[in-house]
Amino acid sequence: ETGVTQSPTHLIKTRGQQVTLRCSSQSGHNTVSWYQQALGQGPQFIFQYYREEENGRGNFPPRFSGLQFPNYSSELNVNALELDDSALYLCASSFTAGANWNGYTFGSGTRLTVV
Amino acid sequence: RKEVEQDPGPFNVPEGATVAFNCTYSNSASQSFFWYRQDCRKEPKLLMSVYSSGNEDGRFTAQLNRASQYISLLIRDSKLSDSATYLCVVNGGSDKIIFGKGTRLHILP
Repeated sequence: ETGVTQSPTHLIKTRGQQVTLRCSSQSGHNTVSWYQQALGQGPQFIFQYYREEENGRGNFPPRFSGLQFPNYSSELNVNALELDDSALYLCASSFTAGANWNGYTFGSGTRLTVV
Repeated sequence: RKEVEQDPGPFNVPEGATVAFNCTYSNSASQSFFWYRQDCRKEPKLLMSVYSSGNEDGRFTAQLNRASQYISLLIRDSKLSDSATYLCVVNGGSDKIIFGKGTRLHILP
């Protein structure tokens, strides 16, 4: 059973640039959620993908977008990067079956620094 | 009131002591609850689920108080390796999973 893998592990971008972060979900999981964790804060929900569609969104602007592929892997895209976008971006996979949710498996995250 | 609140700490506790911290939640319809552990610059990892009847896993005990809308985590005989941030996670239903900001725990030798 493979875990959740994210790439890249670290990234430095300039303000105004665009970035794409990638996540491969755990085998057997069908749902991917993305979180932003600033230093000293808890993870903040960005959005969730289930069956290749966005299935819930947190309080993030439209310049944060995503995709889920048929193999349940996912991408997070951020346009027009701002300094405050600097954070650890966590991908969490889970298995959704009706109303049941049994917790996330997190990837090790991508640490994005915007300068 | 914030959806999920935790005392950020840090809790500085001598090795071998017992430490407990709580997490309050605002949505009375919340369905499930979890404690995650996060080491410095690492991803969160599931520590334990919190059941209505309370549950214990070795030195760790989690409890849920629905009437007062809080969950608790008790760590007995604390070890240096218990030093971490403990995140409270609440499933508010409709796939709304909310994390607290975490409680930092430092176990002192």
